Amino acid sequence: KAGVTQTPRYLIKTRGQQVTLSCSPISGHRSVSWYQQTPGQGLQFLFEYFSETQRNKGNFPGRFSGRQFSNSRSEMNVSTLELGDSALYLCASSFEDGISSYTFGSGTRLTVV
Amino acid sequence: AQSVTQPDIHITVSEGASLELRCNYSYGATPYLFWYVQSPGQGLQLLLKYFSGDTLVQGIKGFEAEFKRSQSSFNLRKPSVHWSDAAEYFCAVVEDNDMRFGAGTRLTVKP
Repeated sequence: KAGVTQTPRYLIKTRGQQVTLSCSPISGHRSVSWYQQTPGQGLQFLFEYFSETQRNKGNFPGRFSGRQFSNSRSEMNVSTLELGDSALYLCASSFEDGISSYTFGSGTRLTVV
Repeated sequence: AQSVTQPDIHITVSEGASLELRCNYSYGATPYLFWYVQSPGQGLQLLLKYFSGDTLVQGIKGFEAEFKRSQSSFNLRKPSVHWSDAAEYFCAVVEDNDMRFGAGTRLTVKP
């Protein structure tokens, strides 16, 4: 059974650009959550999607957005990149309850220069 | 405010020694509790979780954790550490579908 797949693994972008990260959940998982991990702030919750609807949202500016497709794959987008957006972005998928069976992907390492 | 505290930023133990990583939480009701492990450059792997019932929970890789309501703690233990256990460990708490992570404890294993 394939795990949670995040692409790309590494990304380098310039300040002001935008970026889109992709997450393919485990087959049958309908909930996808996104987290930002930085050395200073640790793991912070961005948002959760279930059945193409955002169900929960963390405390991030509107530059961070996401969506989920009918096949449960999810993308997150960051517009007008700032240096502080450099981080490991982790995606986790689960069954309907969104929590009890979380499985994380290996993450996308974003570097903003 | 909800919070998860891992008091130890970095712990070093000798291979074969026992291990205890501390986790304290601040929530109103009994939350769902988790321990994850993260190797460098990798995602998080679930070690164990507690929802209800027996307060001593067994996980993968020989880890266990004990939920103590009176102390608001969920400490992770392993009787004999292996060199491959060197990693970062995160305690996480969920209440109302909101998952919060502790700052993590980095474990170094001495030969």
